Amino acid sequence: KAGVTQTPRYLIKTRGQQVTLSCSPISGHRSVSWYQQTPGQGLQFLFEYFSETQRNKGNFPGRFSGRQFSNSRSEMNVSTLELGDSALYLCASSFSGRIYFGPGTRLLVL
Amino acid sequence: ELKVEQNPLFLSMQEGKNYTIYCNYSTTSDRLYWYRQDPGKSLESLFVLLSNGAVKQEGRLMASLDTKARLSTLHITAAVHDLSATYFCAVDDLNSGGSNYKLTFGKGTLLTVNP
Repeated sequence: KAGVTQTPRYLIKTRGQQVTLSCSPISGHRSVSWYQQTPGQGLQFLFEYFSETQRNKGNFPGRFSGRQFSNSRSEMNVSTLELGDSALYLCASSFSGRIYFGPGTRLLVL
Repeated sequence: ELKVEQNPLFLSMQEGKNYTIYCNYSTTSDRLYWYRQDPGKSLESLFVLLSNGAVKQEGRLMASLDTKARLSTLHITAAVHDLSATYFCAVDDLNSGGSNYKLTFGKGTLLTVNP
């Protein structure tokens, strides 16, 4: 089976812009979650979707949002980017207790 | 709020030696994950521990889970240079009805294996 795919892999934006990241889970996995990794805060949970419904949300401001489509693909959006949003954004695909991470999108905000 | 503590945060080992990384967590959960991360890369799944007393082994790594003590260990046997990486434990914040796949991660253990 193909693994979790994320696009784009690298992104450079400027403050105030918005960005959309995409994630395609492993075939058959209906749960997709997103994490932010920074050197200072480590790995933090953003949100999790299952069958197009957000089941859990982490402690991030409303500028961070996401959605899931009927084919289980997911997108996350960050509006009004701040310098502190520079991070590695990881998508995870889950099924039956197993959680697999994608390669990540590295976002740099200038 | 679920808290996950790993120690040590930094570990420098010689090849051939044994060592253990500890992962303590603050709430009841019987679902714990170990991941490996190489510099600039994503998280590679190592072990999933789904019940009290679970023990899993793969090569030179062995992980165990004691849900009563809220403790998991990752034991490294006869370390080799290729094991150099950052190792994370993560606990699933279970609520009634099963997992929502909401992981809380430890800060990670940076392991360096020296020849």
